[in-house]
Amino acid sequence: DTEVTQTPKHLVMGMTNKKSLKCEQHMGHRAMYWYKQKAKKPPELMFVYSYEKLSINESVPSRFSPECPNSSLLNLHLHALQPEDSALYLCASSRVGTRMSNQPQHFGDGTRLSIL
Amino acid sequence: RKEVEQDPGPFNVPEGATVAFNCTYSNSASQSFFWYRQDCRKEPKLLMSVYSSGNEDGRFTAQLNRASQYISLLIRDSKLSDSATYLCVVNIPPKFSGGYNKLIFGAGTRLAVHP
Repeated sequence: DTEVTQTPKHLVMGMTNKKSLKCEQHMGHRAMYWYKQKAKKPPELMFVYSYEKLSINESVPSRFSPECPNSSLLNLHLHALQPEDSALYLCASSRVGTRMSNQPQHFGDGTRLSIL
Repeated sequence: RKEVEQDPGPFNVPEGATVAFNCTYSNSASQSFFWYRQDCRKEPKLLMSVYSSGNEDGRFTAQLNRASQYISLLIRDSKLSDSATYLCVVNIPPKFSGGYNKLIFGAGTRLAVHP
């Protein structure tokens, strides 16, 4: 069983809908991440939160809006998505690394998103 | 040159075989190295971190060669359940990634173990 929980597992939405993806971890990790993964491709980093503050935004379109309400929760708000945004969205968490090295990340089982 | 490169495979091996994957990375300043496995339509799961001295976990052995900038994963006595995609993951230090330390995933090597 994964220690990072994501909901919902599957989501189908139209291009005009607004929805949110949720992620929760109780490992005491203070770094949390959103990744996007297309079929047969590796995960691509979208956002990183460190100590509940956004530290990396990998030039993600504004139709994706992350939020970190507290140290255990990470949300991804979706609005006006495009068909090419259909993918597996993965949340991960880790201990905060140092300036030069990283801690291993632990992934949730993802939300499979389909945009009609 | 890609930041992290892996042979995509697939590697088709019989049960009980020994199989090795290599991964090369481009940034000599990288400090953190990991192997993940990902089953079809599932999330990546951490298999092992890779340390300078090399490390072993049961049937799995990881090695790091800093001089040649590659990481290897050796799987002994392959099981059917080892069939998955193996992702090599390397960090990119802040100086080379806009001031932030982040992980880059290789495209993965697919392993298929058959009876």
